[in-house]
Order: sequence, then C-alpha cells, then structure tokens
Amino acid sequence: DTGVSQDPRHKITKRGQNVTFRCDPISEHNRLYWYRQTLGQGPEFLTYFQNEAQLEKSRLLSDRFSAERPKGSFSTLEIQRTEQGDSAMYLCASSSTMTSGSLLAQYFGPGTRLLVL
Amino acid sequence: DQQVKQNSPSLSVQEGRISILNCDYTNSMFDYFLWYKKYPAEGPTFLISISSIKDKNEDGRFTVFLNKSAKHLSLHIVPSQPGDSAVYFCAAILTGKLIFGQGTTLQVKP
Repeated sequence: DTGVSQDPRHKITKRGQNVTFRCDPISEHNRLYWYRQTLGQGPEFLTYFQNEAQLEKSRLLSDRFSAERPKGSFSTLEIQRTEQGDSAMYLCASSSTMTSGSLLAQYFGPGTRLLVL
Repeated sequence: DQQVKQNSPSLSVQEGRISILNCDYTNSMFDYFLWYKKYPAEGPTFLISISSIKDKNEDGRFTVFLNKSAKHLSLHIVPSQPGDSAVYFCAAILTGKLIFGQGTTLQVKP
C-alpha cells in the first residue's frame, strides 16, 4: 500500500511561466484536497474534490489557479502566469467518506515546493 | 481571522519528560480536531484526533484533551523522545476541510 504521492517534489520557475503539479491519492480514498503552506504558517486550504466533482474552492484560489480530477483518481493543480507570491509548499491530501472516527483524518503527501524567481 | 491558534511558536523539553502542546479555537461549529506532526521537507503526518463529544483520546504516548467550554485542546506526549522533535499542528474540520493553527516547534533534548 502506498501513501499519497506528489510530483514533482521541487519546481523552480520564472515569473510568468505556467506550472502543473500532480497528486496521486491513496487508492481507496474518494476525497482529494489541495493545501498551500508558506514559511511559519500552517497549511491553508485551497480546494477539494469528492470523486471527480470539485466541491469547494477557497477565496485564496485566484483565477490563475485551476485544479482537476478528471477520473476521480489523480489530480492536477495548474498555476498560470506564476508570481513570486506563489512560492510555497503545495500539499495534497486524501481521505475517505466511507469511514468515521479517527479515519476522518486526511493523509498528506510529501508536497511540491515551488520557487518562483 | 485565525480560527485555530497555537500561541506558543516553540517548546523545548528534556527527553523522558512530558511535552504539552496547546491549541485554542474560536468556532463552536468545529466538531472534530486533529494533531499532525511535520518534519522539514515532508508533508504533515496524522498523529491523533478527537471528536467534540469526547474530552480525551489516548494512543500510546500521545493523549489529546478537549475542553469545549474553554475552546481549548492540548496534546500530551509522555515520555518525550528526541525523535518527537518536529513542528506540531493542531487542526479542526469544517465542512470537510482542515483549518490549521500556525504550528508549534517542539525540541526534545537528549
């Protein structure tokens, strides 16, 4: 059994370029989440999917950000026309709605660290 | 508007002693709380959780206490070990998403 995986682990790009990150959740999990973490802060929610449906988007998610989960399995997060303020750790997590109690927990991947020059 | 707050940025304890990490929240609609541990360059790792209908949950060396009237929860680690040194995040679930505190860096000295 593998956990949540993310690719790439690190990305350096120039301002104005587009970047795309991929997340593969735990296979039996139907919910997938994207968070962003900057230095000295806790992760901040960006968006989440239940199966292929995007159920909620944060106000933090500007029009330059788009996320998809086309087949209800892996997800991609694209940032268009990157800005230096987009530099952060982008975290993906997954969970299952079929469980209760402590299994409500979301399980995180290792993250993708983005640096925009 | 910080709904989950961890007011101590750092904590240092001796190996073998108890570590107590605190967390306060403002939204009475939160009904489930979790603690995560994070090492540098890794994603957060789930540690322990508690439902708002309980006041205590224990898992090995980790115990979480919830005081709903005070809107306060704490994580106790006994005994603390050097490998526990990490950043600890308190989080609450609201409409499916996690709301995190700012984190507390725990250092356990040998």
